[in-house]
Amino acid sequence: AQSVTQLGSHVSVSEGALVLLRCNYSSSVPPYLFWYVQYPNQGLQLLLKYTTGATLVKGINGFEAEFKKSETSFHLTKPSAHMSDAAEYFCAVSRYGTSYGKLTFGQGTILTVHP
Amino acid sequence: NAGVTQTPKFRVLKTGQSMTLLCAQDMNHEYMYWYRQDPGMGLRLIHYSVGEGTTAKGEVPDGYNVSRLKKQNFLLGLESAAPSQTSVYFCASSYERRRDTQYFGPGTRLTVL
Repeated sequence: AQSVTQLGSHVSVSEGALVLLRCNYSSSVPPYLFWYVQYPNQGLQLLLKYTTGATLVKGINGFEAEFKKSETSFHLTKPSAHMSDAAEYFCAVSRYGTSYGKLTFGQGTILTVHP
Repeated sequence: NAGVTQTPKFRVLKTGQSMTLLCAQDMNHEYMYWYRQDPGMGLRLIHYSVGEGTTAKGEVPDGYNVSRLKKQNFLLGLESAAPSQTSVYFCASSYERRRDTQYFGPGTRLTVL
C-alpha cells in the first residue's frame, strides 16, 4: 500500500520569503510523485511531477521539488513567495505500473502569503 | 478546448433524494475518475473508468454508481443521498499512455441536508 503525509496543514510566509512544503511518502515500489495546486473554488492543477530521471524537478510558477529516495521525501520549494501563490497544495503518489494510474493524495497544505 | 467540465457547479439535496453529476472531457482521454474532497482528507477516489463501457470501484465507492456510455462522459449517481455525502466532487481524466498526469474539472459542491 502507498501513503502520503504532508507535514503541516497550514504554512504561512511573508511575500518574498522561501516557501517549503513538506511531503513524505511510503511505497513498496518506485513511485511517481506529484504536486498539485488548488486555487480557491477551482479544480486541481498539476505543478510538477517526478517519474524517472533527474531527481530535481522544476514546475510552473517557479516551484521545484526534489525526490530523495533515502528520505522518502518530495518537498516543494520556491525561493521567493508571491501573493498569487496563496492556495492549497497537494502531494500525491502513483505507483509505477499500476493499471489505471491511481493517485493517493496527502491531506493538503494551505499556503498563506502575507504582504 | 474546454478540458474537463462538470455539471452542475452547486447542488443542495435533501436526504433520500437522487441526482447525477456529469463530467465531460474533450481531450479524447481513455481514463476518467471521480474523487471526493473533504477537509483535512485530501482527495479520495470513488470510481474510475479505463475506457468506454467499463467502470471500477475506487477507495470509497459505497452509495455511488457510475456509468461511461460514451468515451467523453463519465456520470456519477447518488441513488439515495445521505448527509455523509456532503462534499466537493471532482472529475479527472488522463491519457492511456500518460495516465500518470490527471486533468481535473472545476468541481461540484454538493450539500445534503
